[in-house]
Amino acid sequence: QQPVQSPQAVILREGEDAVINCSSSKALYSVHWYRQKHGEAPVFLMILLKGGEQKGHDKISASFNEKKQQSSLYLTASQLSYSGTYFCGTETPDKLIFGTGTRLQVFP
Amino acid sequence: EAQVTQNPRYLITVTGKKLTVTCSQNMNHEYMSWYRQDPGLGLRQIYYSMNVEVTDKGDVPEGYKVSRKEKRNFPLILESPSPNQTSLYFCASSSNRGRQPQHFGDGTRLSIL
Repeated sequence: QQPVQSPQAVILREGEDAVINCSSSKALYSVHWYRQKHGEAPVFLMILLKGGEQKGHDKISASFNEKKQQSSLYLTASQLSYSGTYFCGTETPDKLIFGTGTRLQVFP
Repeated sequence: EAQVTQNPRYLITVTGKKLTVTCSQNMNHEYMSWYRQDPGLGLRQIYYSMNVEVTDKGDVPEGYKVSRKEKRNFPLILESPSPNQTSLYFCASSSNRGRQPQHFGDGTRLSIL
């Protein structure tokens, strides 16, 4: 079963912050985050391997709560280049499954 | 340059005409997979392969076949395509399913009339 992402869509002005959540009904080994620009392939952002782990990439960071089977992606001081669709991928004992995506649009 | 190459990039064909979408990676990755992307449904896994001669079904395998005879290649076969297989397809590879990044190809847009 696909992980659930929320919100489905976000509209921001440059400089604003956003949080994207990813929730799974199954125990997770790891969580991936990817960004996809329109018409392009998904591009890797980060992987979180441990419960409670946090990672950062420029002004984009993420957390992974293993007990709650949830991960959140934090986008700080958003830039126009952050626009795109964000996918989480959750690794269970069986598979790596991607969520339905969160569409983020940043306007000047 | 490390890459995943898919061919063709675009294809318009008719119902029932067998087609193959090729996927090749030059990174010596063990794990390869195929996804289809449809509006509002995200990336859904069709098939995956943990290594040569090892393949398994993903979430939406009906109507598709795959093979993994060589480590670098993982073709997707539609033996009798139907209009509901019109979609954007991505191949991905990784050295490890969950602990390393997935590298995606540029995608193949299939239209089945």
